[in-house]
Amino acid sequence: GNSVTQMEGPVTLSEEAFLTINCTYTATGYPSLFWYVQYPGEGLQLLLKATKADDKGSNKGFEATYRKETTSFHLEKGSVQVSDSAVYFCALGFNFGNEKLTFGTGTRLTIIP
Amino acid sequence: EAGVAQSPRYKIIEKRQSVAFWCNPISGHATLYWYQQILGQGPKLLIQFQNNGVVDDSQLPKDRFSAERLKGVDSTLKIQPAKLEDSAVYLCASSLRLAGYYEQYFGPGTRLTVT
Repeated sequence: GNSVTQMEGPVTLSEEAFLTINCTYTATGYPSLFWYVQYPGEGLQLLLKATKADDKGSNKGFEATYRKETTSFHLEKGSVQVSDSAVYFCALGFNFGNEKLTFGTGTRLTIIP
Repeated sequence: EAGVAQSPRYKIIEKRQSVAFWCNPISGHATLYWYQQILGQGPKLLIQFQNNGVVDDSQLPKDRFSAERLKGVDSTLKIQPAKLEDSAVYLCASSLRLAGYYEQYFGPGTRLTVT
């Protein structure tokens, strides 16, 4: 079946540090890959996506590249801010037929000033 | 554009009681999803509707959970009777397909505590 494995948290970084959150997946077929973010007290929001191999998704300074050869979709940001503190979820889904998302367990990120 | 609405936001019940959650998707979104998010885990799909038909309910515990989407708009998710392990956040999402691509929009969730 399909599954997503995420870097265990929590992760604590200082402001302006470099961020990497690892994500690998197992899937039958060619999924789309997503990063969702959940800020304190809010619902899940789509942060970025990539729909095919070698695509790079980017938003708000975050980037992730769809690597088919390593089945990975690692999230990166060059300089984190306190406002980036949230829980980050990696997910996969398919565009046709059953479109449910399969999520990783989430990584809690805390940025300290 | 209004987002996905859910109510209530919080609910505390005793085990063996029943509870219902309501979701109003974004206007025009044909697909609606209910996810269960247990503390420390990622969301898990319970049921997916396309208009008012069920697409996938393979992970819905049908002996106690039920869901409906009358008229292809609002949806309700019911648990009867509740168990301690049902304590979780219940997320509703909706999506619209545009040229083969879709994006799911999530509501704020209902946090259920079963005591």
